[in-house]
This record gives sequence, structure tokens and C-alpha cells, in this order.
Amino acid sequence: AQSVSQHNHHVILSEAASLELGCNYSYGGTVNLFWYVQYPGQHLQLLLKYFSGDPLVKGIKGFEAEFIKSKFSFNLRKPSVQWSDTAEYFCAVILSNDYKLSFGAGTTVTVRA
Amino acid sequence: DAGITQSPRHKVTETGTPVTLRCHQTENHRYMYWYRQDPGHGLRLIHYSYGVKDTDKGEVSDGYSVSRSKTEDFLLTLESATSSQTSVYFCAISPGQDLYGYTFGSGTRLTVV
Repeated sequence: AQSVSQHNHHVILSEAASLELGCNYSYGGTVNLFWYVQYPGQHLQLLLKYFSGDPLVKGIKGFEAEFIKSKFSFNLRKPSVQWSDTAEYFCAVILSNDYKLSFGAGTTVTVRA
Repeated sequence: DAGITQSPRHKVTETGTPVTLRCHQTENHRYMYWYRQDPGHGLRLIHYSYGVKDTDKGEVSDGYSVSRSKTEDFLLTLESATSSQTSVYFCAISPGQDLYGYTFGSGTRLTVV
């Protein structure tokens, strides 16, 4: 079955630490990939997206993600987190020419000041 | 986000009662979606619409129905609310091309007692 897996359920970091969140998908065709962020009490907002071209994608707030096709992965990274990065992060996948996003279960990131 | 509103924002209802949630958009997007968000499950698709009067089921559609009589409104109805339907419900819209991802509403927190 097609699925999106996020490896970490809850990550706790100190400010200035580096962050990497794993995401793997099991779709067989061409995919487009997204990372969304949900700050406490808010709706989901788009962090970054990958469609084609350079597999290293830069998004807002200093986040980046790398698409590794051979590993079916799209990991999110940030070199130095801030307290304001405390949020839940969702990886999402859509098949090319489809219009239904499938989400991973999410990773809660807590950044301690 | 501007252009998509959900109502109500919060609702408490009794088991067995029908409940309708409303999603309204001003973006004239073709595609509209209803998701539910539960801890450990991420977002799961309930129903979606690809045009006026055109709807289809998602992965967790049992106990839910939808209607879309005009482009801007997408209604989600819980026919007979159960405690398992206590959740946060998000509406999303998309222009229909996979490149753009979704824009999400602010969510409706529904509690069934």
C-alpha cells in the first residue's frame, strides 16, 4: 500500500542545535513532495516543496530538504533551530497528475530555550 | 490563510446528533478537501470535491457525507455523531494542479460527548 512514513514521533532539541526529520514514501510513480508546519493552535502552512530539478530544496525560515530518489526519502533539515521552531512537522506526497495529498503521521519538535 | 474560512471554529455536540461543518473559499479553486487530524495519525482524507456536485470518498469516509452545491462552499456532515469523530477537522483548497499543494483553513475542533 502507498504510504508516507515519518521516523520520529517527538524530537526535543536545544536552541542552536541542528535538526533533521526523516520522511520516506512508498509510491511507485513520479511524486511531488512537501513539508508542512503546524505551530501550536494554528493551521498547516507550507514550508517547502519539490517537483523536479535540484534535489536540494530551500524553503522558508531557513529550512531545506533533500530528495533522494533511490532512497524514496525527503528529509527536512535546519542547521540551527530557534525556540520559535517548536511545532509539528508533516511530510506529504502527491502523485504526479493526481490531486490528493497523503500525509505522514507528523513529528512534534520541541525546542528548549 | 486569506481566502478560506471554516465555521464553526469550535463545537461540542452530543452523540447521535447530526453536525455540519462549513468550508468557504474565495479563491475560486476547483478542488476542496476535508481532512481530520488525530494524534499519531497525521491528517487523513475524509472526502474531496473536484467540482460542483462532484465529490468522492477518501480513506476515512464512513459516517461522513459531503455536499458542494456551489464552487465556494464545501459542507461536511456527520450524519450521527459518535465519540470517535471527536477530532480537529481541516478544510483545504487547491487549484487542481499537483504543483501547488494545498491551502488550509484554520480548522474546526469538534467534541462529541
